[in-house]
Amino acid sequence: DARVTQTPRHKVTEMGQEVTMRCQPILGHNTVFWYRQTMMQGLELLAYFRNRAPLDDSGMPKDRFSAEMPDATLATLKIQPSEPRDSAVYFCASGLPDRSNTIYFGEGSWLTVV
Amino acid sequence: AQSVAQPEDQVNVAEGNPLTVKCTYSVSGNPYLFWYVQYPNRGLQFLLKYITGDNLVKGSYGFEAEFNKSQTSFHLKKPSALVSDSALYFCAVRDSTGRRALTFGSGTRLQVQP
Repeated sequence: DARVTQTPRHKVTEMGQEVTMRCQPILGHNTVFWYRQTMMQGLELLAYFRNRAPLDDSGMPKDRFSAEMPDATLATLKIQPSEPRDSAVYFCASGLPDRSNTIYFGEGSWLTVV
Repeated sequence: AQSVAQPEDQVNVAEGNPLTVKCTYSVSGNPYLFWYVQYPNRGLQFLLKYITGDNLVKGSYGFEAEFNKSQTSFHLKKPSALVSDSALYFCAVRDSTGRRALTFGSGTRLQVQP
């Protein structure tokens, strides 16, 4: 059963600490997305990649957030330094670059910054 | 630009009754439209999509959605609601000519009462 795998599932960290979230997309999917979900803002696109190259990261705060795909099986989202307002659920999703572009979500990384 | 509106924060329906969750969209060009469902503490699960063709789209768990181009709507429906359908539902859109990332609505919480 192919699925997007995200780690960690839950993370509590102190303000100022670095946080790294990891995502393994579905094998063969070459488009990867990072979304953030909060009660106030709903689902926001942070970044997305195609063939490991960033296509759009306009939704990501550049001063503290960074996203990379070191290889086709790993996407990372890093926050340094973390702040309480970064507390949210971070979802990774992956898909194929066809017209239908159905994307499949992981279970999310639940981040709390205290 | 592309956007989605889900005008109802919550929809309440009795088990066995039909349900409708509303969605309207705005895109340049032809829309690709999607519905996802999110259960508590889980990721988003794909329900159905409209790309082209028949305006009535059937999806998972007995759900269907009707594409109405003139009203720019894509309402989610089910003839007979189940208590287990209680969840958060997201409508999403992307245009067929521009950026490929999905834009999500704010979500509608469906509560099915026994």
